[in-house]
Amino acid sequence: GAVVSQHPSRVICKSGTSVKIECRSLDFQATTMFWYRQFPKQSLMLMATSNEGSKATYEQGVEKDKFLINHASLTLSTLTVTSAHPEDSSFYICSARGGGTISREGQPQHFGDGTRLSIL
Amino acid sequence: DAKTTQPPSMDCAEGRAANLPCNHSTISGNEYVYWYRQIHSQGPQYIIHGLKNNETNEMASLIITEDRKSSTLILPHATLRDTAVYYCIVKAGNNRKLIWGLGTSLAVNP
Repeated sequence: GAVVSQHPSRVICKSGTSVKIECRSLDFQATTMFWYRQFPKQSLMLMATSNEGSKATYEQGVEKDKFLINHASLTLSTLTVTSAHPEDSSFYICSARGGGTISREGQPQHFGDGTRLSIL
Repeated sequence: DAKTTQPPSMDCAEGRAANLPCNHSTISGNEYVYWYRQIHSQGPQYIIHGLKNNETNEMASLIITEDRKSSTLILPHATLRDTAVYYCIVKAGNNRKLIWGLGTSLAVNP
């Protein structure tokens, strides 16, 4: 149980392109999903917390107009990198917390396999 | 959330137990200890978590000291596929954020 699917796994595109990444919880409902970014040989950095039916909460230094997050249902959140540039090239990872419709204290987060974004 | 300290790297022979330590001396009473691992170029994988008591599942065992200031993740029979970076994270149950350190890079050798 607690499977999170992320798509696509890899994207290579030209500078100026907008890229959409999908994150789905396959066997549970997730009221909260998280988006991370990871640069080579560094740890994961939380970008934003995505709440179903409401606006995402962005971490300090993350541009909300650059990284658009939509969490339209309990099983799907999307991250759109708008007008991507080479410095946006990174490994983007989503996660969803717990299982079931009730978020219990202490529930772990479960992660997708990540999306490697390369902007030429 | 409390800060954790882990050794940067460890080695383990295939088939032997891998014991990964984590220090969290400033942990609060409502904070859980979580362990994740990340295999190269993949998303993190949840392993186990606990609050006070020792925990065991099909992947590993988590031993938490009585004062809760440190814990050990035990992989009972390490295989080559267990080679990964292992992260110990301490977080309050009602806090949704996970703060990631650099973890321990475990190399399982044949």
